Amino acid sequence: GAVVSQHPSRVICKSGTSVKIECRSLDFQATTMFWYRQFPKQSLMLMATSNEGSKATYEQGVEKDKFLINHASLTLSTLTVTSAHPEDSSFYICSAEDPSTGYGYTFGSGTRLTVV
Amino acid sequence: AQSVAQPEDQVNVAEGNPLTVKCTYSVSGNPYLFWYVQYPNRGLQFLLKYITGDNLVKGSYGFEAEFNKSQTSFHLKKPSALVSDSALYFCAVRPSGGSYIPTFGRGTSLIVHP
Repeated sequence: GAVVSQHPSRVICKSGTSVKIECRSLDFQATTMFWYRQFPKQSLMLMATSNEGSKATYEQGVEKDKFLINHASLTLSTLTVTSAHPEDSSFYICSAEDPSTGYGYTFGSGTRLTVV
Repeated sequence: AQSVAQPEDQVNVAEGNPLTVKCTYSVSGNPYLFWYVQYPNRGLQFLLKYITGDNLVKGSYGFEAEFNKSQTSFHLKKPSALVSDSALYFCAVRPSGGSYIPTFGRGTSLIVHP
């Protein structure tokens, strides 16, 4: 199946700094990618839909200025957590429609962000 | 609006016994249904899907699921559980038309005891 590569897998940063997470589709073009946040033992919370060449669509309650999403090419979407705070610590996962499964989705391996 | 319910936070089963992880859904029109599995600190892995056709869908690692339109259910099953099946399982739905954004259930933790 199609592969989505997400980096880094783990990152620790200081409060007030910014962190960038990359999500790449390795063997297919992804015009749309999704960014999720997952709290321990909880489901995925859709943060935003990333559209290549246009602005991301954010879900209600997600701060656009804090979670910057850029989808500059058909194979790369990035999520930047700006001015990070400890409450931003979480597991972030990206996904894209998987052309090999037909209407399904493929997910990155996730990024564990810890803000200290 | 579409929704998915996974009524059990946790399912416990002994190795070798059959397992069922429940999922019901609500969506406008015909549903596209999916099951994913997540291991600790990992992304989700695709298990199987129902798009159309046979109501019994077979997927990866011996899992299968049955689409029941009248009960709006899509329960995940496996005839004989393995300890290595222990993980978090997510059911997801999207409508066949309109929005392509999936809605996920809250997840069910499957624990298979040796």
